[in-house]
Amino acid sequence: QLQLQESGPGLVKPSETLSLTCSVSGGSIGSSSSYWGWIRQPPGRGLEWIGTIYYSGSTYFNPSLKSRVTISVDTSKNQFSLTLTSVTAADTAVYYCARQGGAGRSFDYWGQGTLVTVSS
Amino acid sequence: DIQMTQSPSSVSASVGDRVTITCRASQGISTWLAWYQQKPGKAPNLLIYAASTLQSGVPSRFSGSGSGTDFTLTISSLQPEDFATYYCQQTINFPRTFGQGTKVEIK
Repeated sequence: QLQLQESGPGLVKPSETLSLTCSVSGGSIGSSSSYWGWIRQPPGRGLEWIGTIYYSGSTYFNPSLKSRVTISVDTSKNQFSLTLTSVTAADTAVYYCARQGGAGRSFDYWGQGTLVTVSS
Repeated sequence: DIQMTQSPSSVSASVGDRVTITCRASQGISTWLAWYQQKPGKAPNLLIYAASTLQSGVPSRFSGSGSGTDFTLTISSLQPEDFATYYCQQTINFPRTFGQGTKVEIK
């Protein structure tokens, strides 16, 4: 059973950089049928796709965040990571990592989510 | 970007009711559509992919239909554990986009 787990600071100061890691267990991040994504959800609001990475390093980003987002993959650690620069209070959200599998290219496995608050 | 619009934003229903949620895409997406269920404090859970294929382990009272721009999620007989928020998502291309969500509440 594939499992994903987000980790990283729960509090980030305005203008600083948010960094999160997603650890994958129960399967290989290098699977040819899998893409790996980040999705966020501000408190009380809907889901926003941030970006997706393939194990080879190909990336796809939400245009609204593209200038501030980096997603990378470390196949040796079976992890992928998110960095978001110049954060503001609007970036306060629960951040989820998820697998985009072969099944209709949907997100079929999700981490539990981690709340990141941007505040001084 | 493809915009996804769900309706209604919320619906009040009773146990045993049939509930239908609609999702409309701003352009044709064939059947590249997924539905998710999210309960408070939990990650979304995939219910349906490719517009009408039930994810493994999802009860058969859930069904999806549609193609092109108009899609529906139907719960044939609402159960207590189905009170949640439901999201559609287009999976045809990037950027991936979600509907704004439909909250199914107890009447």
